Formats: sequence, structure tokens, C-alpha cells
Amino acid sequence: NAGVTQTPKFRILKIGQSMTLQCTQDMNHNYMYWYRQDPGMGLKLIYYSVGAGITDKGEVPNGYNVSRSTTEDFPLRLELAAPSQTSVYFCASSYGGRPSYEQYFGPGTRLTVT
Amino acid sequence: ILNVEQSPQSLHVQEGDSTNFTCSFPSSNFYALHWYRWETAKSPEALFVMTLNGDEKKKGRISATLNTKEGYSYLYIKGSQPEDSATYLCASYNNNDMRFGAGTRLTVKP
Repeated sequence: NAGVTQTPKFRILKIGQSMTLQCTQDMNHNYMYWYRQDPGMGLKLIYYSVGAGITDKGEVPNGYNVSRSTTEDFPLRLELAAPSQTSVYFCASSYGGRPSYEQYFGPGTRLTVT
Repeated sequence: ILNVEQSPQSLHVQEGDSTNFTCSFPSSNFYALHWYRWETAKSPEALFVMTLNGDEKKKGRISATLNTKEGYSYLYIKGSQPEDSATYLCASYNNNDMRFGAGTRLTVKP
């Protein structure tokens, strides 16, 4: 199993550009998550999904959109990139809901918006 | 607002030392506490998921305890090795919301 994979690893965007961060898991997990991690801060939840076709906002959803058309894929879209979105983005998945099940994380995408 | 605090922020120990650090979380509406180990340039990896007051979990030289009444968890590393160098994250799940602490960065010197 590859686990959770993310692409790209790094990206530099200009202000106002759009991009999609890809996330795929091959563990047949129902739950998937997108986090951002800023220096000195904990991981903050952007969006999550409890299954194909179902998504919900996390703590910091503004400026992002997600979709979940398949169990495996959970892309994160930035429509109008802003410098405040410079961060490291992690995708994660779990077999069941957050409380009881450990999460498996992808390698991260480092995004810089200038 | 759910605040999860970890202390210390960073820690330097010698190889062979035992060490511990703390995760503080709100005790109200508590459901679960997660610990993750995060090595530089890698992804966070789960160590423990704990739910019951008084829970103790162990994996090799690493163990954790949980006090849900007072809202803290300790992570212990016995006989630290250089390969234990990493950031240790905790996350608390309260009232349908899960929040991560900022982590404790451990450096073990040979």
C-alpha cells in the first residue's frame, strides 16, 4: 500500500492564481481530512469528508473548496491564492471517525503565495 | 474555543536520558486524545489513541498516560535514542471538534 499520497510536493503561486492540491489514499478509508500547518502552530483542519459525496467545513475553511467524488481522492482547491495561504498542507485519512481512529498522513505540500 | 497546549515547546536531552512532556486539554466534553510522532521531512505517524481516564498505553520505550478529569496527558520516553528526535503532537477531541497542540520538539544528542 502506498498509504496517503499528495501532489505536488512544492508549489509557488502568484496572488490570485488558482490551484488544486491532490490527495489519494489506497486504504479504503471513509474519512479524509485536509490540514494546514503554520510555523509554531498546531495542525488546523480546513475541510473533512466522511465518505464519497459528503464534505464539511473544519476550523479554517475560508478560501478553500473540496470535493469527494470517490473514496480514494480528496482534492483541495484554492481559487484566488492569497499570501495568508502560504503554509504546509497535509492530507490525512482514517478508517473511522476522528475520535477513535488514528489518522494516516500524507507527506505534505509546501505552498508559497507571493 | 478548544485550546490544546503542549509543554515544553522544545527539549534537548542526552542519549540514554528518560524524558517526558505534557499535553493539556479541556476536560469538558472530552472524547479522545491522540499522540503523533512527526520526524523532520516526514509525515506525522500515530502513536496512541486514548479515551479512558487512567488509560496507559505503551509502545516499546514510549508510553503515555491520560487524566481526563484534570485534562492532561503525559508522554514518556525511556532511555532516549537519537532516532527518537522528532516533534510529538497531541490532539484532543472534545464536543465534536478535534484540535492539535503545537507540538514538543525533542532533540536527542548522541
